[in-house]
Amino acid sequence: AQSVTQPDIHITVSEGASLELRCNYSYGATPYLFWYVQSPGQGLQLLLKYFSGDTLVQGIKGFEAEFKRSQSSFNLRKPSVHWSDAAEYFCAVGDDYKLSFGAGTTVTVRA
Amino acid sequence: EAEVAQSPRYKITEKSQAVAFWCDPISGHATLYWYRQILGQGPELLVQFQDESVVDDSQLPKDRFSAERLKGVDSTLKIQPAELGDSAMYLCASSFRQEWGNEQFFGPGTRLTVL
Repeated sequence: AQSVTQPDIHITVSEGASLELRCNYSYGATPYLFWYVQSPGQGLQLLLKYFSGDTLVQGIKGFEAEFKRSQSSFNLRKPSVHWSDAAEYFCAVGDDYKLSFGAGTTVTVRA
Repeated sequence: EAEVAQSPRYKITEKSQAVAFWCDPISGHATLYWYRQILGQGPELLVQFQDESVVDDSQLPKDRFSAERLKGVDSTLKIQPAELGDSAMYLCASSFRQEWGNEQFFGPGTRLTVL
C-alpha cells in the first residue's frame, strides 16, 4: 500500500527566507503526487500536482516541487515566504483515484 | 467562485448521541468524498461516491457511520452513536469526475467535539 512521510512536524521560517518542506513516499508504480495547503479554519487547497513529465512542477502562490524517483521524494519549495504562507502543508500520493495524505507540516512565519 | 459547502461548521455533542453532517458539492461535480482528519494527522478517506453510488467505503466504520447521496448531489454523513474517538474534522470534497486530471475541491469542514 502507498504511504507518505513528512519528516518535519513544524518548521519556523523568517519572512522573506526560503522554505523547503520534505515529503517521502512509498509506492510501487509511478506515483501521482500532490501538495495541499490548509489555512486555519479552512479546507485544503491544491498547490500543485505531479503526474508525469518534467520533474520540476510549478504551482500556485509561488510554490514549486521536484520529483526525485531515486530518492522517493517530492519536496516543496518557495524562494521567499510571505506571512500569509503560515499554514499546514500536506503531501499526498494518489492510487486508484484515492488520496493518501502525510501527517502534515505546520509552517510558522516570523516577522 | 463555486465552493463546496458544509454545515454545521462546528458541532459539540455528548457520546452516544447521533450527529449528522451535510455537504453540498460544486455544481456538476459527480464525485464526492468524505474525509476524517484527526488533530495532528492528515485527512483519511471515509467514503467516496460517484453520482449516487458508493465507490469506496472500505474505511467507513459501518457499525456507527453511514453516508448517503440519494439524488447524486448533496450528501449526509451520520454517526450514531458518537464516541469520544470520533472527535475530528470532517471534510467533504468534490471533483468533476473520478480521474486524476480532476482536482478535488475541499469544503471548510465540520469540527466535531464529542464530550
